[in-house]
Amino acid sequence: DQQVKQNSPSLSVQEGRISILNCDYTNSMFDYFLWYKKYPAEGPTFLISISSIKDKNEDGRFTVFLNKSAKHLSLHIVPSQPGDSAVYFCAASATGNQFYFGTGTSLTVIP
Amino acid sequence: DTGVSQDPRHKITKRGQNVTFRCDPISEHNRLYWYRQTLGQGPEFLTYFQNEAQLEKSRLLSDRFSAERPKGSFSTLEIQRTEQGDSAMYLCASSFSDWGARNTIYFGEGSWLTVV
Repeated sequence: DQQVKQNSPSLSVQEGRISILNCDYTNSMFDYFLWYKKYPAEGPTFLISISSIKDKNEDGRFTVFLNKSAKHLSLHIVPSQPGDSAVYFCAASATGNQFYFGTGTSLTVIP
Repeated sequence: DTGVSQDPRHKITKRGQNVTFRCDPISEHNRLYWYRQTLGQGPEFLTYFQNEAQLEKSRLLSDRFSAERPKGSFSTLEIQRTEQGDSAMYLCASSFSDWGARNTIYFGEGSWLTVV
């Protein structure tokens, strides 16, 4: 069973505009969430995280929003740049022992 | 380079052969994880170590898979009698064990396995 879901396999955005990537989870015990970026043939690179005690965390152009009641998180990238084109994975953990990943969203930023 | 390193990056093997992957974690990290990723999927948890102790194993880790971390530093993942379904990217990651913001896992570049 997929405890972390990314329902949009792909997203295309014009350079300079906002990219919004979404993630839903089913396990109410998850209390730590992360976003990773992955280029082909490379391992995932950590981008940003958020604890369940917060509803927003910002790092430069990247902001993660957490809506615990809806079991939903989103990653906003503003402004989007061509170098942001990659696959983005969200991940969640309840204990810090095991991290569950979504299936990824492929972002294409069009120059 | 002080990141997670994996070796080899690519491995092509014949079905039935054994393969071994090595992972060197970030030196300050005491946790080490193995994940597997296939095309179109996210990373799937296989197992993790805290120091030299293997604390959790996924049901995905069949009897043909064995992982070790003998001295609490590097780790090896061995796959015996490989099958075509084992073809995937094998990812190693490491982290601190204390909870909170430091509990972010950092991945290596992965080891691609192709079983022919």
